[in-house]
Amino acid sequence: DSGVTQTPKHLITATGQRVTLRCSPRSGDLSVYWYQQSLDQGLQFLIQYYNGEERAKGNILERFSAQQFPDLHSELNLSSLELGDSALYFCASSVGTDGHEAFFGQGTRLTVV
Amino acid sequence: QKEVEQDPGPLSVPEGAIVSLNCTYSNSAFQYFMWYRQYSRKGPELLMYTYSSGNKEDGRFTAQVDKSSKYISLFIRDSQPSDSATYLCAMTARGTGRRALTFGSGTRLQVQP
Repeated sequence: DSGVTQTPKHLITATGQRVTLRCSPRSGDLSVYWYQQSLDQGLQFLIQYYNGEERAKGNILERFSAQQFPDLHSELNLSSLELGDSALYFCASSVGTDGHEAFFGQGTRLTVV
Repeated sequence: QKEVEQDPGPLSVPEGAIVSLNCTYSNSAFQYFMWYRQYSRKGPELLMYTYSSGNKEDGRFTAQVDKSSKYISLFIRDSQPSDSATYLCAMTARGTGRRALTFGSGTRLQVQP
């Protein structure tokens, strides 16, 4: 158990819908990262928050947004969903901002039908 | 060209063999080098990280970094069937502008009993 908690584990939704994925980081970790893993793309970095502030952006679509709350949990919002958004979404956390020693949650498997 | 290249495998070895997994990279700013193990689309599990060049050993695992060649390796001694998984290399740079892990595509390892 990495200490990073993600909910829900599985999500099935229709195209055009909006969903929210939730992540609770390890105790003491201030950075939260979101990654997308699809079969043909590997692990793709989406966005990072550190202590409530956005610190880095990767290949995140405009239809996607995230935030980190004062209690340090984070949410990833995916809207206007398309079939191609079906993937595993992972959250990771680390103490600092460098990204090393990042621990991953078990992921949310999103299926868009 | 991807920033991090990793042979996708699969790599099949008999139980007890020494396994060598490798990645090459192109960004000379990378300074932290990590190896993750991922079982069946579960969350990646951090095995080891190394800062800059050199070797690091942890039980049956040894990580090597050669920054001059932009080449990193993970060796697994006395491999076990339970080591069968996908191994992902990841790296990150210190300082501004790069705070998230860049992953290789992963090497699938199968250890035959």
